[in-house]
Parts: sequence; C-alpha cells; structure tokens
Amino acid sequence: RKEVEQDPGPFNVPEGATVAFNCTYSNSASQSFFWYRQDCRKEPKLLMSVYSSGNEDGRFTAQLNRASQYISLLIRDSKLSDSATYLCVRGEYGNKLVFGAGTILRVKS
Amino acid sequence: DAGVIQSPRHEVTEMGQEVTLRCKPISGHNSLFWYRQTMMRGLELLIYFNNNVPIDDSGMPEDRFSAKMPNASFSTLKIQPSEPRDSAVYFCASSPSGDNQPQHFGDGTRLSIL
Repeated sequence: RKEVEQDPGPFNVPEGATVAFNCTYSNSASQSFFWYRQDCRKEPKLLMSVYSSGNEDGRFTAQLNRASQYISLLIRDSKLSDSATYLCVRGEYGNKLVFGAGTILRVKS
Repeated sequence: DAGVIQSPRHEVTEMGQEVTLRCKPISGHNSLFWYRQTMMRGLELLIYFNNNVPIDDSGMPEDRFSAKMPNASFSTLKIQPSEPRDSAVYFCASSPSGDNQPQHFGDGTRLSIL
C-alpha cells in the first residue's frame, strides 16, 4: 500500500463548480499534513497546511480525519487558474515529507 | 526574498558523462532536500540534510548518485556516470529546521541523458 494515496483524476469541472479531493495515508503517527499545488512543468508550491481539525483559506478548505486517516481539499467557485495537479503530503519524523502522486484538476469555461 | 535557486535549469548530455546539479537554499533554512520527479514514479525523495549533515540517503538510487552540502548555502547532486534512465526533473527544496515545517522548492533542473 502506498504511504499516501490519491485519486489521479483528472477531475474535469466547469468554472464556478465546487470540487473535492480526498487523500488517505498509512502512517497513523503522522503529525503534519499539507496540500501542494503543481502547475505543468513547474515546481510544487505550498497551497496550505493542515495541522489539526482543518484549515480554510479563501475558496480552499482542508479537513483532516485522523480516525479514518484521510484528508480532503475542497475548492469552491473554481477558477480556470485552479487547473493544476494537487499533491497530498504528510510529514514524517523531523521535517521529512512524503508526497502523494497527485490529483489532476482541469477547470473549463 | 530569494527562493531556492537551482542550476542549471536544463541539462542535456550523453550517457556516461558526469552531471552536477546545484542548489542554493533559502537563507536561514537549515534543512535541504533533493527530489527526483518522473511520470512513472512521481516525486521521490533522494536525500536530505539537516545543518549540512546528510540525515537520510535511503532514496539515492545507486552508487552513481552522490550529494554534498559543504556549507549552509550550497549543495550539489552528482551523477557519475549518467544513464538514460536518470532523465527526470530534479528538485531541490529547503525548510526551516523542526517538525511540521513545509518545504519550499526551487524551479528544478530538467535533465535529459541521451
């Protein structure tokens, strides 16, 4: 089983739609979680951190469910510029991060 | 503020040649990470350093790969000899020391071994 599992997608949604991604992880001892965004042929960039019960930043909401070992990312009012690959990430001992393979989002007009 | 700086941005070379990738972390960040990304395997951690000391190199694929961090502001990843299967995008990232710190990535080096 992969340490961090994500649906690869692609998720094809119209502008203005709400879309949600889930991610499951296998290490119950993980303390920190993040969502990164990666545009085509670019580097991963931190989108938001998820530390305890969840986090909200504008149109983006991340939730953590420790009992079921999954985190989610909700994007409201999707924009064309939201099209990217979204990487689910969990933290390990020290400051090592484990990345999922990513979920592709395509927002269409 | 300057982010993580990597060079070169692109490298094309013939198999058997030595390749050296360079990274300058964000000033003040004590941890530095080298990753490799391919379509087949995604983003893989190769090695990381804390305070210039290699902590975990279990991701380094084989002896042809080596990494050094001679000081807090510079690191290299070397492949010798290079092979076509080493073709990938290599990212360097840095973070402050301590648990639960996000990492900040450089632009990457796109490496093609012919």
